Amino acid sequence: NAGVTQTPKFQVLKTGQSMTLQCAQDMNHEYMSWYRQDPGMGLRLIHYSVGAGITDQGEVPNGYNVSRSTTEDFPLRLLSAAPSQTSVYFCASSRTGHNSPLHFGNGTRLTVT
Amino acid sequence: GQQVMQIPQYQHVQEGEDFTTYCNSSTTLSNIQWYKQRPGGHPVFLIQLVKSGEVKKQKRLTFQFGEAKKNSSLHITATQTTDVGTYFCAGRWENTGTASKLTFGTGTRLQVTL
Repeated sequence: NAGVTQTPKFQVLKTGQSMTLQCAQDMNHEYMSWYRQDPGMGLRLIHYSVGAGITDQGEVPNGYNVSRSTTEDFPLRLLSAAPSQTSVYFCASSRTGHNSPLHFGNGTRLTVT
Repeated sequence: GQQVMQIPQYQHVQEGEDFTTYCNSSTTLSNIQWYKQRPGGHPVFLIQLVKSGEVKKQKRLTFQFGEAKKNSSLHITATQTTDVGTYFCAGRWENTGTASKLTFGTGTRLQVTL
């Protein structure tokens, strides 16, 4: 099993560009989520999904969209990139959204200039 | 919103010394999880605590959940260089409206030197 796969590993965008960060898991997990990690601020939840067709906002959702059309995939869309979105992005999944541990992907390092 | 405060932010120890990181919530947690992130890596799950007063051990690591389920700690005995990394706690609250949200503390970065 590959676990949680994120692509790309690195990305540089110009301000105003849009892009999609891909996340796929092959563990049949119900719950998927996106976090961003910035120095000194830990991991902040952007959006999460408790199953196909269901998404909800986390702590810092502005500027990001998600969809969950299948159990396996949970892409994160940046609508119009801003320098404040420079960060490391982690996708994570778990069997359920309550008492299950999160399995993280390797992350995407995004720089917006 | 609900937050988990984690201290210290950074600790530098000599190999063989002990290390402790603490997490606190102002409201009762449903459960708390602990993760370790090696430099350049992704967070990896260590353990989950659910019951009031729970204590769990993994070799040199001891995890505790407070009686009121508002605080937790991770203690490492006799640190080794392999313990280097950032340790995060992550909590869920008993408010069912936010049951699926796992909120991370800001982490404690541990540096171990010989």
